[in-house]
Amino acid sequence: QLQLQESGPGLVKPSETLSLTCTVSGGSFNSNGDYWGWVRQPPGKGLEWIGSIYYTGSTYYNPSLKSRVTISADTSKIQFSLKLNSVTAADTAVYYCIRHSTSGSFGYWGRGTLLTVSS
Amino acid sequence: QSVLTQPPSVSAAPGQKVTISCSGSSSNIGNNYVSWYQQLPGTAPKVLIYDNNNRPSGIPDRFSGSKSGTSATLGITGLQTGDEADYYCATWDSSLSAHVFGTGTKVTVL
Repeated sequence: QLQLQESGPGLVKPSETLSLTCTVSGGSFNSNGDYWGWVRQPPGKGLEWIGSIYYTGSTYYNPSLKSRVTISADTSKIQFSLKLNSVTAADTAVYYCIRHSTSGSFGYWGRGTLLTVSS
Repeated sequence: QSVLTQPPSVSAAPGQKVTISCSGSSSNIGNNYVSWYQQLPGTAPKVLIYDNNNRPSGIPDRFSGSKSGTSATLGITGLQTGDEADYYCATWDSSLSAHVFGTGTKVTVL
């Protein structure tokens, strides 16, 4: 059974860079047609897709966040990471790592990790 | 603001049926697959329907999905108290070049 687990600092200061890692277990990272990525949810609000990466290293991002986001992968560790720079309070959210299909179905989700931006 | 509009809330008695609409446009629902998610309180979302009308293994057939033009609908029959949750639709938006989620609908079992 594929499992995803987020890890990160929990608290980041404004203007700093948020870094989160997702560890994949129970499955292969190099599976055709499957993308890995991040979705976030501010407290009490809806879901927002951040960006995705294919096992080849190809990435694509939400245009609203593209200038601040980098997603990378370490296939040897079966991990992928999110970096979001110049964070503000508006970036406070639960961050989920996900796997989705080519058709856009988000089939697997991590439990999520709350990231708070505060001084 | 999301490009996919859902009603903020729907409610019905146990055993009844509810439907949740997801309204979009030709740049999203009209030309791309739709999926639906259930988010129970304090948990991660879970896919209920993928590729418009397919249920993953383990999802009961009380849940159904359909699409017509630029709108999609999630149906839940035989409503149970355990179905109380937030529900989201999602699709790809070709104009935005982004995966987008609906505004979300809270289902209440009376």
